[in-house]
Amino acid sequence: GIQVEQSPPDLILQEGANSTLRCNFSDSVNNLQWFHQNPWGQLINLFYIPSGTKQNGRLSATTVATERYSLLYISSSQTTDSGVYFCAVGAGGTSYGKLTFGQGTILTVHP
Amino acid sequence: KAGVTQTPRYLIKTRGQQVTLSCSPISGHRSVSWYQQTPGQGLQFLFEYFSETQRNKGNFPGRFSGRQFSNSRSEMNVSTLELGDSALYLCASSLAGTGVTIYFGEGSWLTVV
Repeated sequence: GIQVEQSPPDLILQEGANSTLRCNFSDSVNNLQWFHQNPWGQLINLFYIPSGTKQNGRLSATTVATERYSLLYISSSQTTDSGVYFCAVGAGGTSYGKLTFGQGTILTVHP
Repeated sequence: KAGVTQTPRYLIKTRGQQVTLSCSPISGHRSVSWYQQTPGQGLQFLFEYFSETQRNKGNFPGRFSGRQFSNSRSEMNVSTLELGDSALYLCASSLAGTGVTIYFGEGSWLTVV
């Protein structure tokens, strides 16, 4: 099956710093999403981005499908950005609602 | 509109018992997927249902089963619980088709003692 690797595994920042999270995947995908898992366990959608670039406030994401990687940028980080960030991909064909997740990046933002 | 709703949120079961978890998808969503999250294995796909039919299944033993009703609500069942089944179980829903955004519920925290 498809493999997903995220880096770095852990990231510690001071409030106001910028950061880049990376997601590499091993095969073609037709679905790529970034999630933030809150302290209560819920996965919050950040971006649906199988290709191209999107921005939402201080967050932006870029997926280069031909090179099989995606980047999540967080600018001017805030303590509320702390948590676990997951990249998840879905392959083509009949995979439909099946996502394969990376191991996540644990982000800690200190005031 | 309301998001994905999972019940119960927290439960404690004894080894050997069985458990049923429920998921109500976002209105209009006909695909429901289930995932298990543990510290050791991360997030793993359990199964997916669409129009009351299982479309995909992950690599879990037969003790894990599910079903979907005509109103798209879904349940998953774990029989003969083991300590290793302690996990956060997440339900997700999406519109039909490939390459669509998948939305998750808040999850059900299961502890097996």
